[in-house]
Amino acid sequence: DIVMTQGVLPNPVPSGESASITCRSSKSLVYKDGKTYLNWFLQRPGQSPQLLTYWMSTRASGVSDRFSGSGSGTYFTLKISRVRAEDAGVYYCQQVREYPLTFGSGTKLEIK
Amino acid sequence: QVQLKESGPGLVQPSQTLSLTCTVSGFSLTSYNVHWVRQPPGKGLEWMGRMRYNGDTSYNSALKSRLSISRDTSKNQVFLKMNSLQTDDTGTYYCTRDRDGGSDYWGQGVMVTVSS
Repeated sequence: DIVMTQGVLPNPVPSGESASITCRSSKSLVYKDGKTYLNWFLQRPGQSPQLLTYWMSTRASGVSDRFSGSGSGTYFTLKISRVRAEDAGVYYCQQVREYPLTFGSGTKLEIK
Repeated sequence: QVQLKESGPGLVQPSQTLSLTCTVSGFSLTSYNVHWVRQPPGKGLEWMGRMRYNGDTSYNSALKSRLSISRDTSKNQVFLKMNSLQTDDTGTYYCTRDRDGGSDYWGQGVMVTVSS
């Protein structure tokens, strides 16, 4: 199975600053179609997770352009610009390159 | 309007079988994949398995021997059955719709407690 490893944020992050969340996979997530099969989710307290980006850098419908995904085949970053209180929660990366699908352990973002 | 709703018993005895239903609306099960994801209290997300639009299934390696996912397209329902439940199976169980590999819609989740 592909192992997903997420970094830790130096919390709390001041409102208005940027935050970058990292994720590493044990195997390349680039498929033969050239797409990188990496998703990012945000789970706010008490809520179901919300899809932020898929194919590593494509924002899901309705997601603010303050969220941007980038990376290589095995190292990925979700950057949040001008963080707001509503961005607080736990961020998860997920690989969908191959089954079984796997999530990272989550990165908590707190806002000051 | 796309919606998914999980339903099932809130309490299951150890060693018993968990049966959950995901009822969907606003899309067809023959056009989209549906996944099951669970989350122990205070912990992270765990992918459990998937019902593909064509009826194929895939499972988490660690759960494969205990888990079964099926569907009834006429009722717009996907089912999860997992046997030999233990206390560490306690958590919130979600069903999700898959678009281009990303779960773009999630149900509200159903809390399942395994306890005698």
